[in-house]
Amino acid sequence: QVQLQESGPGLVKSSQTLSLTCTVSGDSLTRGNYYWSWIRKPAGKGLEWIGRIFTVGTTGYNPSLESRVTISRDTSKNQFSLKLTSVTAADAAVYYCARGRWEFENWGQGILVTVSS
Amino acid sequence: EVVLTQSPGTLSLSPGERATLSCRASQSVRNNYLAWYQQKPGQAPRLLIYGASNRATGIPDRFSGSGSGTDFTLTISRLEPEDFAVYYCQQFGYSAEITFGPGTKVDFK
Repeated sequence: QVQLQESGPGLVKSSQTLSLTCTVSGDSLTRGNYYWSWIRKPAGKGLEWIGRIFTVGTTGYNPSLESRVTISRDTSKNQFSLKLTSVTAADAAVYYCARGRWEFENWGQGILVTVSS
Repeated sequence: EVVLTQSPGTLSLSPGERATLSCRASQSVRNNYLAWYQQKPGQAPRLLIYGASNRATGIPDRFSGSGSGTDFTLTISRLEPEDFAVYYCQQFGYSAEITFGPGTKVDFK
């Protein structure tokens, strides 16, 4: 049974960089044909896909965030990470990591990130 | 980018009633790669339907999905108390971009 767990600071200062990590157990980031994605949900709003990393290491990003986002991985730790630069209040949200191909089968529990001024 | 529109925004129903949720795409959805999720407060979304009409593992058969092209529907045949939640549709596009609809809230009448 695959499990995903987000970790990282719950508070980030405005204009700084948000950094989160997703630790995966029960599956390998380098096996199969899965995308490993980051998704967020601001309070009172809907879900927004941020980007993904594929099993071979290629990445893809939401065009609206692409200039500020980097997704990478550490295969030795079976972790993938999100970096979002120059954050503003609009980036405050619950951030989820998820596994899937054309849909998201498995999700982490989510981590709340607050942005302070 | 494929824009998804969901209607209604809120659906007020009673347990035992039938719920019909709509998701409309701004252009044809690639290979009907259209999924539905249920989200409750404080929880991660749960995959209900993938490929427009396939139930995910462990999803009760009162949930069904239909549609193709640009118009899709999620039907809950008889609402159980635990079904009151927000429902999102999601598509996987030709450029491998992913978009979600704004959600439909199913609440108690």
